[in-house]
Amino acid sequence: GAGVSQSPRYKVAKRGQDVALRCDPISGHVSLFWYQQALGQGPEFLTYFQNEAQLDKSGLPSDRFFAERPEGSVSTLKIQRTQQEDSAVYLCASSLGASGRDDEQFFGPGTRLTVL
Amino acid sequence: AQKITQTQPGMFVQEKEAVTLDCTYDTSDQSYGLFWYKQPSSGEMIFLIYQGSYDEQNATEGRYSLNFQKARKSANLVISASQLGDSAMYFCAMRGDQAGTALIFGKGTTLSVSS
Repeated sequence: GAGVSQSPRYKVAKRGQDVALRCDPISGHVSLFWYQQALGQGPEFLTYFQNEAQLDKSGLPSDRFFAERPEGSVSTLKIQRTQQEDSAVYLCASSLGASGRDDEQFFGPGTRLTVL
Repeated sequence: AQKITQTQPGMFVQEKEAVTLDCTYDTSDQSYGLFWYKQPSSGEMIFLIYQGSYDEQNATEGRYSLNFQKARKSANLVISASQLGDSAMYFCAMRGDQAGTALIFGKGTTLSVSS
């Protein structure tokens, strides 16, 4: 069975470039999360989708960050005018979306972004 | 606000020994879930074990057990009979009950298992 996939796995960008990171969640999963993991740190929440609706974007660090999930499946995280502090691993996770503490989030392998 | 604290940046253990990774948390929620994840050098997050705040018994999954002390707000992970493949970063995390609630992670503990 297919898990969560992300592409590209690695991305090197020059400062000021725009980047787009893709997440393919598990089929049928309603909830989709993006997290940012800086080197040596735990993941931090960026944004949450329920189907195609972006219900929480409180973790996006600036207006250079934008996420979408137009058809309620694949999601794209876009970063405009990248800065060196954007260098991190970007993790995508999906879940069935049931309420309850044990609604398990399944993580993708992440995209490692390096901004030079 | 919810917070997870992992005070051990690194832990070292020999094969076949048991090891405890510490985790304390802070929340004003009455109902919540606690999770442990393993992250090897390859980067993927691997779910290990879950404990609900109202669960009376400590969770166990194979060699993993969670020592849950609600009054002390601690949720330590115990790995029995350590294996070389257990060497990785370990994260404690929590979330509330509502659907779509994000996980809050600690800073992690690096576990190194030697032969």
